[in-house]
Amino acid sequence: GAGVSQTPSNKVTEKGKYVELRCDPISGHTALYWYRQSLGQGPEFLIYFQGTGAADDSGLPNDRFFAVRPEGSVSTLKIQRTERGDSAVYLCASSLTGPGDEQYFGPGTRLTVT
Amino acid sequence: GENVEQHPSTLSVQEGDSAVIKCTYSDSASNYFPWYKQELGKRPQLIIDIRSNVGEKKDQRIAVTLNKTAKHFSLHITETQPEDSAVYFCAAEGGGGNKLTFGTGTQLKVEL
Repeated sequence: GAGVSQTPSNKVTEKGKYVELRCDPISGHTALYWYRQSLGQGPEFLIYFQGTGAADDSGLPNDRFFAVRPEGSVSTLKIQRTERGDSAVYLCASSLTGPGDEQYFGPGTRLTVT
Repeated sequence: GENVEQHPSTLSVQEGDSAVIKCTYSDSASNYFPWYKQELGKRPQLIIDIRSNVGEKKDQRIAVTLNKTAKHFSLHITETQPEDSAVYFCAAEGGGGNKLTFGTGTQLKVEL
């Protein structure tokens, strides 16, 4: 079956602009996670959805970052007033029910803020 | 919050040798410990995981051990092959659940 997909694969934007990153999880997976991975580092947790609700958003760095999952499947990560420090690979993962389940990662979106 | 440390940052072995990567964690309530392999430009992929009620788990050439008392866990790869070359990440899922905290990764190079 289809794995986790993310679009776009690459996004270049200018400092101060708004961007949206999309994640399509594996069908039937109720849990969805967003991570950010900088070069040479491990993925860093941003937010966890259980169904439509954000169960844990403790990893969002500031209020410029926001994510939604209105119908409990596709999720969008939104970044306002982008800064050069936001440049990273944004990874999405999904799991069947949540904590303790294997997380399946998408290919990521490489965001570059110029 | 949880803190995961991983060593070494780079590891070079000869084909056929064994490789060991070690991680420590800080949250004694952590109960799920996966290991991911990430090839350059690719997504992380789970290779093995262990839960806190088990001390060791093996899957063909890969094994993971967990010492809850010392709060450390290790990945063992035997009979290494060139296709094992990648970055390996350990992770821990804390007692509060909800998220994985990753180590900083180990670049494994298997030389012919």
